[in-house]
Amino acid sequence: QSVLTQPPSASGTPGQRVTISCSGSSSNIGSHSVCWYQQLPGTAPKLLIYRNYQRPSGVPDRFSGSKSGTSASLAVSGLRSEDEADYYCAAWDDSLSGYVFGTGTKVTVL
Amino acid sequence: EVQLVESGGGLVQPGRSLRLSCAASGFTFDDYAMHWVRQAPGKGLEWVSGISWNSGNIGYADSVKGRFTISRDNAKNFLYVQMNSLRAEDMALYYCVKDIGLWWDKRGTFDIWGQGTMVTVSS
Repeated sequence: QSVLTQPPSASGTPGQRVTISCSGSSSNIGSHSVCWYQQLPGTAPKLLIYRNYQRPSGVPDRFSGSKSGTSASLAVSGLRSEDEADYYCAAWDDSLSGYVFGTGTKVTVL
Repeated sequence: EVQLVESGGGLVQPGRSLRLSCAASGFTFDDYAMHWVRQAPGKGLEWVSGISWNSGNIGYADSVKGRFTISRDNAKNFLYVQMNSLRAEDMALYYCVKDIGLWWDKRGTFDIWGQGTMVTVSS
């Protein structure tokens, strides 16, 4: 059972903005930076956001990350069909002395 | 091209052992920490283990501590995980993952992932 909680699903129509939340605690998100990963169907995860809001080279600026207190969010603006995927947040957890992933959110483009 | 290719997965009986390997290419292997992350069928991601660039710093998830051993051979550009006393709950797709930093630490960021190798634990 993950210590980072995400909504199981989110959806939107093309062009819309979708936001995914990631709720943690003082031992993880409250003290450490957050990463976001995108997993397209049948493929390996891909780094989308690191250090709360930084985008790796090649990731469109339609993807943005933020953090406040013990929660983090990923926003996808200008939603496109190719954004249909599972999205996971991740952070270090002091209590577990290891990395934890969120429960994952499946984004559907209607 | 930066690439990670896992191998060694397969069907194994509960209680037996298996060693996974990961061949790295396209980057300076000994400049980065490495990890294993797994994903059970239809489930989410779980960090398994991490190792710093020089093997001086190693960590494990509680679920595998004492049963799994991570190691690396910087001369050959390989990452390994020795998995002993395998259980049904260890059945998963195991990903080899590159970190953006030297050390396995609290800033861990997984920027390159292999395609995974499947481990099936069943009698």
